[in-house]
Amino acid sequence: DGGITQSPKYLFRKEGQNVTLSCEQNLNHDAMYWYRQDPGQGLRLIYYSQIVNDFQKGDIAEGYSVSREKKESFPLTVTSAQKNPTAFYLCASGRGGYTFGSGTRLTVV
Amino acid sequence: QQQVKQSPQSLIVQKGGISIINCAYENTAFDYFPWYQQFPGKGPALLIAIRPDVSEKKEGRFTISFNKSAKQFSLHIMDSQPGDSATYFCAASRITGSARQLTFGSGTQLTVLP
Repeated sequence: DGGITQSPKYLFRKEGQNVTLSCEQNLNHDAMYWYRQDPGQGLRLIYYSQIVNDFQKGDIAEGYSVSREKKESFPLTVTSAQKNPTAFYLCASGRGGYTFGSGTRLTVV
Repeated sequence: QQQVKQSPQSLIVQKGGISIINCAYENTAFDYFPWYQQFPGKGPALLIAIRPDVSEKKEGRFTISFNKSAKQFSLHIMDSQPGDSATYFCAASRITGSARQLTFGSGTQLTVLP
């Protein structure tokens, strides 16, 4: 079955530590996206990529970085520069109606 | 102009009732309007979508009504069931450069009482 796989489901980060969230898709979609979701709020765009080796900042890119070396993969790194990283992170792919992964819940400990 | 305003923030409906969620937008460049359903701890799933050349779209118990002149659209859930209890997001999509981007509303938490 085609879909998007995010891992891990839960992630704990210590202060000053970088962590990387994985996102893999087998839908053959060119476009991939990372969103952040905070409780009671909508989805905010962090980064997006339309093709391999190219990506663009979204509305809240500060403290995050991405890479797109393969069409299937779009990992997100939450750096120590992100002061409030505790959130639910969602990866999506597609062009009109996106397909979302099941998310990674990141908590700072 | 990028915002999509969604209301209400929360909604409680009796089983069998009609749930109505409203959204409004400003940017006339939006050309695709999907609705997503999200259960706790899961990613949003595409529920139903409409393009602005259509005033209504129905899929089973779910209907989108679209008013282009008012720049408003709404989701109606007929015969609401406890299994419909979830958070619903409206969204609006447009092309920016070579990219198509979605702008999401803030979400509506729907509770359907048994």
